[in-house]
Amino acid sequence: DVKVTQSSRYLVKRTGEKVFLECVQDMDHENMFWYRQDPGLGLRLIYFSYDVKMKEKGDIPEGYSVSREKKERFSLILESASTNQTSMYLCASSLNGRPETQYFGPGTRLLVL
Amino acid sequence: DQQVKQNSPSLSVQEGRISILNCDYTNSMFDYFLWYKKYPAEGPTFLISISSIKDKNEDGRFTVFLNKSAKHLSLHIVPSQPGDSAVYFCAVYNSGNTPLVFGKGTRLSVIA
Repeated sequence: DVKVTQSSRYLVKRTGEKVFLECVQDMDHENMFWYRQDPGLGLRLIYFSYDVKMKEKGDIPEGYSVSREKKERFSLILESASTNQTSMYLCASSLNGRPETQYFGPGTRLLVL
Repeated sequence: DQQVKQNSPSLSVQEGRISILNCDYTNSMFDYFLWYKKYPAEGPTFLISISSIKDKNEDGRFTVFLNKSAKHLSLHIVPSQPGDSAVYFCAVYNSGNTPLVFGKGTRLSVIA
């Protein structure tokens, strides 16, 4: 059974803090993704990675960075958290060329005060 | 500009009736189409998909229809059940391993 886990379900941070969101998948998927979900805006892609040490910008990368040092782990970093980064963050993984295998983690609800 | 549009933010249906959720896309290069279902405080889960070589795919109560000439797909749920109440996202894909592109979602409420 595919499992994508995220390090925290809920997180409260202060403006200006550096925030790390961790995602781990156990199905040997090549591809990993970070999205944020906001009311009325749907799922927006922040960054993605098709291989270790590789990263690509999605639709809204500003204010974020990522790290993929190992195949199973993809980290999202908020360099200096701001209140407009309060959101639900969703990690996903998939096999190359197999979009129907994209599985999501449970999400991290981040509140930036 | 949005590549995938779900023009109905919400839909309310009586239990036992049919739910029809719609999705329009702009790029004819998309060749695979998916529907995801999302409950509050959970990640989206894959529901059903269809490739561009088909016009219909059925899985139990769920059927997806694809009209390539209109660049339109729809999800039919028959009969609708209260447990189907969730946000449904349409997603499209272009072969070549590009990321999925998601619509903004439609919130379905099935009333008992």
